[in-house]
Amino acid sequence: SQTIHQWPATLVQPVGSPLSLECTVEGTSNPNLYWYRQAAGRGLQLLFYSIGIDQISSEVPQNLSASRPQDRQFILSSKKLLLSDSGFYLCAWSVRQGGEQYFGPGTRLTVT
Amino acid sequence: DAKTTQPPSMDCAEGRAANLPCNHSTISGNEYVYWYRQIHSQGPQYIIHGLKNNETNEMASLIITEDRKSSTLILPHATLRDTAVYYCIVRISGSARQLTFGSGTQLTVLP
Repeated sequence: SQTIHQWPATLVQPVGSPLSLECTVEGTSNPNLYWYRQAAGRGLQLLFYSIGIDQISSEVPQNLSASRPQDRQFILSSKKLLLSDSGFYLCAWSVRQGGEQYFGPGTRLTVT
Repeated sequence: DAKTTQPPSMDCAEGRAANLPCNHSTISGNEYVYWYRQIHSQGPQYIIHGLKNNETNEMASLIITEDRKSSTLILPHATLRDTAVYYCIVRISGSARQLTFGSGTQLTVLP
């Protein structure tokens, strides 16, 4: 069966520090991968999605970036965090664009 | 994606069926109805989806009206672990657009 992992589960970082969140998927090949952010009490905001290695689309211009060095690995990064980057970051995968998406456990980021 | 309307909250007794309604009166012919849920502090979980026929899986059943303007998610035997916010989404299956969750229905299963 397929599983999706995210780490770390929680993270507290000072403003201006770098960020690296990692997501890996097991049990499937060539997944579509997504990074979402969920602010407290709000819906999902799509940040990036990827249909293959080195094929990444950015949905919202900001100080975040994403990379997909391997087929089942998706990394969210920032060189300098802002207070507004605080939130619940979710990685998801699907077998095809727009199909049902399966989410990881999430990373709760607090920027202080 | 078509807009959906759900009641903000519902209670259900443990062991009873939970019936969660969703209105999507502006749904178009190629849009599917998807249901997700989010337990507090966890990632969203896909439950079920359908186009026009009723669907059932190990988690739930989805009943879509003949005119497709509304649907009901049924959890046949609700447990305390089913307490979550349930989201009804209408979207084209092949769309690459993001999942857009509305406010959803907070289902509380009572012991």
